[in-house]
Amino acid sequence: EVQLLESGGGLVQPGGSLRLSCAASGFTFSSYVMTWVRQAPGKGLKWVSIINGGGDITYYADSVKGRFTISRDNSKNTLYLQMNSLRAEDTALYYCAKKVTIGGHNWFDPWGQGTLVTVSS
Amino acid sequence: DIQMTQSPSSVSASVGDSVTITCRASQGISRWLAWYQQKPGKAPKLLIYDASTLQSGVPSRFSGTGSGTEFALTISSLQPEDFATYYCQHDNSFPLTFGGGTKVEIK
Repeated sequence: EVQLLESGGGLVQPGGSLRLSCAASGFTFSSYVMTWVRQAPGKGLKWVSIINGGGDITYYADSVKGRFTISRDNSKNTLYLQMNSLRAEDTALYYCAKKVTIGGHNWFDPWGQGTLVTVSS
Repeated sequence: DIQMTQSPSSVSASVGDSVTITCRASQGISRWLAWYQQKPGKAPKLLIYDASTLQSGVPSRFSGTGSGTEFALTISSLQPEDFATYYCQHDNSFPLTFGGGTKVEIK
């Protein structure tokens, strides 16, 4: 069974940093594109970033470009999101998700349960 | 960036009703659209991808149509477990974007 377990969220002051982790199991992690999607409290889904299986191709939403870095450690089956220069508007539940297939388009399933990031002084 | 506009933002319906949700892309995206279901306090779940392909395990009362800029998700014969929020997502180019969501509520 595919499982994704996020961790690393918490309360951080504006301008601070946080690193999120997503531990994966139940599939060949290195073969799959992975993504981060966030959801502000009571709001909709917002795509954040994506990384290929090898970890050398990444894309970001404009709102986080230059502040967030996605990476992965395939030896540890773990996805990361390093978040720097955090702002109040980054407050959200952060989900990691697995691309459904090795090829094809970027559709995601399953998703983890999410980790909450709160940026506040 | 491609904007995804869903309508309506909410709909009230009864068990057994048929409901259709639409998603409009700001530019043509061929068939590169997916639909997700999210229940309160839960992670999203993929229902349909490539506009009309049902994800494994998803009931056949869910169906998707469309191409280009206009897409629709239809739930025929609503079941109690279908009351949730539904999102569309494109994969025509980066950045990926989601629609604003449609909440299906019990009438």
